[in-house]
Amino acid sequence: KAGVTQTPRYLIKTRGQQVTLSCSPISGHRSVSWYQQTPGQGLQFLFEYFSETQRNKGNFPGRFSGRQFSNSRSEMNVSTLELGDSALYLCASSLGGGDGYTFGSGTRLTVV
Amino acid sequence: AQKITQTQPGMFVQEKEAVTLDCTYDTSDPSYGLFWYKQPSSGEMIFLIYQGSYDQQNATEGRYSLNFQKARKSANLVISASQLGDSAMYFCAMRPMNSGYSTLTFGKGTMLLVSP
Repeated sequence: KAGVTQTPRYLIKTRGQQVTLSCSPISGHRSVSWYQQTPGQGLQFLFEYFSETQRNKGNFPGRFSGRQFSNSRSEMNVSTLELGDSALYLCASSLGGGDGYTFGSGTRLTVV
Repeated sequence: AQKITQTQPGMFVQEKEAVTLDCTYDTSDPSYGLFWYKQPSSGEMIFLIYQGSYDQQNATEGRYSLNFQKARKSANLVISASQLGDSAMYFCAMRPMNSGYSTLTFGKGTMLLVSP
């Protein structure tokens, strides 16, 4: 059974650019959540999608957005990148009913 | 609002010894789940163990056990017989179980180093 796949693994972007990260959940999982991990703030919740609908959103500016497709794959987009957006972005999938979460290996974004 | 506190930034243990990683939590939700994850340097968050707030028994998974003390709001992870491969960051996390949302709240983590 394939795990959660996040692409790309590493990204280097320049300030002001935008970036799109992808997450393919475990087959059959309908919930995809995104987290940002930084040394200073730790792990912070970005948003959760369930059956193509955003079900919950963390306290991040509007530059952070996401979506989920009918096959449950999810993308998150960050526009007008800032140096502080440099982080490990983790995606987690679940069935959506309060069960366990499986995380991907993350995308490490560096903004220069 | 939920809060997870992990007071140990780092822990050292010798191979084959047991180690306890502390976690306390605060929540107003009557029903919640507690999780422990391991994060090696590669970055992936690996699920270790889960405890539901209404579970009567402490959870165990192989060498991992969760010492759940509801009245004290603590959910400490016990790793028995530590191995070199256990060296990693460990995160305690929780989520409400009745809200329908899958949001996990994480602690700051504890770095565990296992020495030969």
